[in-house]
Amino acid sequence: DTGVSQNPRHKITKRGQNVTFRCDPISEHNRLYWYRQTLGQGPEFLTYFQNEAQLEKSRLLSDRFSAERPKGSFSTLEIQRTEQGDSAMYLCASSLNTGFDGYTFGSGTRLTVV
Amino acid sequence: QQQVKQSPQSLIVQKGGISIINCAYENTAFDYFPWYQQFPGKGPALLIAIRPDVSEKKEGRFTISFNKSAKQFSLHIMDSQPGDSATYFCAASNTNAGKSTFGDGTTLTVKP
Repeated sequence: DTGVSQNPRHKITKRGQNVTFRCDPISEHNRLYWYRQTLGQGPEFLTYFQNEAQLEKSRLLSDRFSAERPKGSFSTLEIQRTEQGDSAMYLCASSLNTGFDGYTFGSGTRLTVV
Repeated sequence: QQQVKQSPQSLIVQKGGISIINCAYENTAFDYFPWYQQFPGKGPALLIAIRPDVSEKKEGRFTISFNKSAKQFSLHIMDSQPGDSATYFCAASNTNAGKSTFGDGTTLTVKP
């Protein structure tokens, strides 16, 4: 297992376009998280899955954002009608069910909206 | 509402010195307190973590001190090395709730 994999690593898009990011977690981890990180800030929670169930969504996650985790494996995060304020690093993390093992983060997808 | 406050924002220490980063939290439901290390262009990596039933945890050169009554915890890096130069984030979570709340990070520079 090579850890948490995120694709693409970088994405530049024009304002108003839709983008989709993919995350492949560590195979035995049943929790999967999406966070957003802007320069000089800590990761900010977006949403979280336990297996295929989306258990929590941040109030920061507007209706332009949607995440899925079909069959409890990989996850996708889609942003519709992107805005310049969406420019950030989008981090995916996974963990075991206990929650006491911390997260394993991927290297992130850096989104730039021009 | 910022539930985890981290200080200082940046820190410069000499090689061999002790680096100390502090965090304070508000939510008494938090039951897991990890520290993450992040290098440029990488995601954060778990460094060390503590549960509130323990006052101190040490792993190699890294030690967490935890003060439950004050709702504060800190990371101590002994014998700091230039390779420790990175951004450090404290976090707090309620493991039943799943998500973690992160501090804003401390950029550590260790001068040779």
